[in-house]
Amino acid sequence: AQKVTQAQTEISVVEKEDVTLDCVYETRDTTYYLFWYKQPPSGELVFLIRRNSFDEQNEISGRYSWNFQKSTSSFNFTITASQVVDSAVYFCALRSNTGKLIFGQGTTLQVKP
Amino acid sequence: NAGVTQTPKFRVLKTGQSMTLLCAQDMNHEYMYWYRQDPGMGLRLIHYSVGEGTTAKGEVPDGYNVSRLKKQNFLLGLESAAPSQTSVYFCASRSPQGVSGANVLTFGAGSRLTVL
Repeated sequence: AQKVTQAQTEISVVEKEDVTLDCVYETRDTTYYLFWYKQPPSGELVFLIRRNSFDEQNEISGRYSWNFQKSTSSFNFTITASQVVDSAVYFCALRSNTGKLIFGQGTTLQVKP
Repeated sequence: NAGVTQTPKFRVLKTGQSMTLLCAQDMNHEYMYWYRQDPGMGLRLIHYSVGEGTTAKGEVPDGYNVSRLKKQNFLLGLESAAPSQTSVYFCASRSPQGVSGANVLTFGAGSRLTVL
């Protein structure tokens, strides 16, 4: 069975703080894909990053970075020097090679000025 | 404009009524998905389709039916609506693996359904 767990329901930080959003997944597949999506207050879902199960390289994109560790089944997302515009709900997602794509419960990030 | 279009955007139903949500995409995507979003529950997969004429159950399929008679359309039906089905419904689509853009879901704007 597939499962994605985002244990942090809500996180509140002050602007310029670093923040890490946790994601733990379960799957029996050897080939799978992991994603992070952002849902700002406007409601649309914005793709941030994809990782496949064979690529454990960490990635950095501006203030965003992702740490994928197969040994702990985790795909954590760090925002460095957070900004108010980062306030949103963030979803981690897992897609199997059959096409089924499930999301975690989401983490609401509030960045205060 | 290319994208995923959901209709209707808002609907209020009485318990026991039936309705169909329509998802249409003009990107020639093979995969289509229906999710519901509830506070504290995230996005939960209802049903999905990996191609025209195919459908599969997701995490929370009970009380819903789907059909994919045409590649561009994915219909979500509620035969007998219940208050527990009050939610925001999102449709999404993507290309199959190996095709450009396969890793990015394109989401519709959402349909807010209230069942009284």
